[in-house]
Amino acid sequence: DAKTTQPTSMDCAEGRAANLPCNHSTISGNEYVYWYRQIHSQGPQYIIHGLKNNETNEMASLIITEDRKSSTLILPHATLRDTAVYYCIVNSGNTPLVFGKGTRLSVIA
Amino acid sequence: NAGVTQTPKFRILKIGQSMTLQCAQDMNHNYMYWYRQDPGMGLKLIYYSVGAGITDKGEVPNGYNVSRSTTEDFPLRLELAAPSQTSVYFCASRKAGTGGTYEQYFGPGTRLTVT
Repeated sequence: DAKTTQPTSMDCAEGRAANLPCNHSTISGNEYVYWYRQIHSQGPQYIIHGLKNNETNEMASLIITEDRKSSTLILPHATLRDTAVYYCIVNSGNTPLVFGKGTRLSVIA
Repeated sequence: NAGVTQTPKFRILKIGQSMTLQCAQDMNHNYMYWYRQDPGMGLKLIYYSVGAGITDKGEVPNGYNVSRSTTEDFPLRLELAAPSQTSVYFCASRKAGTGGTYEQYFGPGTRLTVT
């Protein structure tokens, strides 16, 4: 599976959009981009995934560049409960997910 | 649905003791996984299973064993516990299928300390 690069940490003001970047320059054509988050040592929680097109659900939006070498997870109105570690994972769906260290997002009141 | 359940939530073991971490899911998922997470680190895959009777090693299998006799259960066995096995253990499951369309569901974790 392709490797991903994420910033170690980010801050976001409560109520503002949180934009979390991820680089995956070696992604293959059959690999998806997944985002999970982990709130304070709980089990990771699925957020969203995409292949080529931008995706939106009730939690977030995923913007994937046209060359698919990077993506951005957008939390449109961050709340204190969104403080968590966010993991960007590239995977074809045929192998287990591999978790890196992720981005620690702190939402500040 | 209860989802993915893990027992116990916490456990302290002495060096050399053995124990089994239990994991069960009620979603009829074929794929199940065991991860461990050390402080400040990401999750590392220990073992996984794509169906009853089938298991395979992950990145860090040494010191652990698994079995998968039913679709619902995927216990993780620690033999001769060592301080290096102090960690938080997460079990996860997902539907079978390819193409990356299925999300993985995680349990709440078991916090294990070996002293």
